[in-house]
Amino acid sequence: KAGVTQTPRYLIKTRGQQVTLSCSPISGHRSVSWYQQTPGQGLQFLFEYFSETQRNKGNFPGRFSGRQFSNSRSEMNVSTLELGDSALYLCASSPSVTSDTQYFGPGTRLTVL
Amino acid sequence: AQRVTQPEKLLSVFKGAPVELKCNYSYSGSPELFWYVQYSRQRLQLLLRHISRESIKGFTADLNKGETSFHLKKPFAQEEDSAMYYCALNASSGSARQLTFGSGTQLTVLP
Repeated sequence: KAGVTQTPRYLIKTRGQQVTLSCSPISGHRSVSWYQQTPGQGLQFLFEYFSETQRNKGNFPGRFSGRQFSNSRSEMNVSTLELGDSALYLCASSPSVTSDTQYFGPGTRLTVL
Repeated sequence: AQRVTQPEKLLSVFKGAPVELKCNYSYSGSPELFWYVQYSRQRLQLLLRHISRESIKGFTADLNKGETSFHLKKPFAQEEDSAMYYCALNASSGSARQLTFGSGTQLTVLP
């Protein structure tokens, strides 16, 4: 099976812009989670989706949002970008909400100038 | 609130020596703990989880609820074990998951 894929792999934006990142889970996986990784804060949970519903959300401002489509693909959106949003954004998929194993994608490196 | 602490940012050992990567957690509920590993230029991947009590690549980890620890151990380190290791806690609410990661320990196994 192909692994979790994320597009784009690299992105450069300027402050105030918005960005959309995409994640395609492993085929058959219905749960998708998003994480932000920065040198200062480490890996932080953003949100989790299952069957197009957000099941859990981390402690991030409302500028961070996401959604999941019927084919389990997920997108996350960050509006009004700030310099501090520069990070590696990781997506992880899991077969179901009862599975405790998450499979991570390679990440999208976002740089905000 | 849940918290995972990995006190060592960097850890170096010689090949063949025992290695222990420390992880302490704070969580009021019943913890689900994991170790994730990231080898150079590879994606983050699950190494092991406490619930399965398995040994992967020679690594084991025992959950000690009294000491709130989940240290990762290997009796004889190999050079290919050099990687970044993250301890993670699943602060689950019902069946939802929310992994809280420690800051990671960069392990270097010297020849």
